[in-house]
Amino acid sequence: QQQVKQSPQSLIVQKGGIPIINCAYENTAFDYFPWYQQFPGKGPALLIAIRPDVSEKKEGRFTISFNKSAKQFSLHIMDSQPGDSATYFCAAKVRYSSASKIIFGSGTRLSIRP
Amino acid sequence: DGGITQSPKYLFRKEGQNVTLSCEQNLNHDAMYWYRQDPGQGLRLIYYSQIVNDFQKGDIAEGYSVSREKKESFPLTVTSAQKNPTAFYLCASSLGAGQGTDNEQFFGPGTRLTVL
Repeated sequence: QQQVKQSPQSLIVQKGGIPIINCAYENTAFDYFPWYQQFPGKGPALLIAIRPDVSEKKEGRFTISFNKSAKQFSLHIMDSQPGDSATYFCAAKVRYSSASKIIFGSGTRLSIRP
Repeated sequence: DGGITQSPKYLFRKEGQNVTLSCEQNLNHDAMYWYRQDPGQGLRLIYYSQIVNDFQKGDIAEGYSVSREKKESFPLTVTSAQKNPTAFYLCASSLGAGQGTDNEQFFGPGTRLTVL
């Protein structure tokens, strides 16, 4: 199974709240899980990433929680700000013999209200 | 100033016409990719190239063609055979697919194609 399932599709949170975006996968061959942030009319930019041998990774206000046995991972944004309003994509990478491929989730449109 | 550039930013096409989207990178990356993004959907891989003069089909290659004559350039042609070409097209590059790296992909700013 090459899919990465992402939820929710959209999310509205008050400033200072903690939005949580969830992703799930089936393929145990995935070996790298990046999150991308995309602002309207722009290309996605790498936000934070984690390997499956780590259960949590923090970078600033962004935290990835990873549950290998459940094949789930999530993004938490602490002390969210209106500037965090964007579309967020989770993704997973699988390596083939001489190549690798990134599979993207369907995206979550996040709005942080002032 | 390193990065990925895509041109044009906006492109309008009449039905039945082929159009070519430009993608250039000066990051010295070996691998380059083209994705299509539609509202409410994630990025879908059209074509990718690991090295000059070589490229592979992605998940939705029908109606598209690419070339990789130079390391820096990976143009995408949307042909008249593509039934629903209106979308946001994103080009990306990475250091090297399958070279023991995390294959972090860096994206360009995108081209919005509209078929009239």
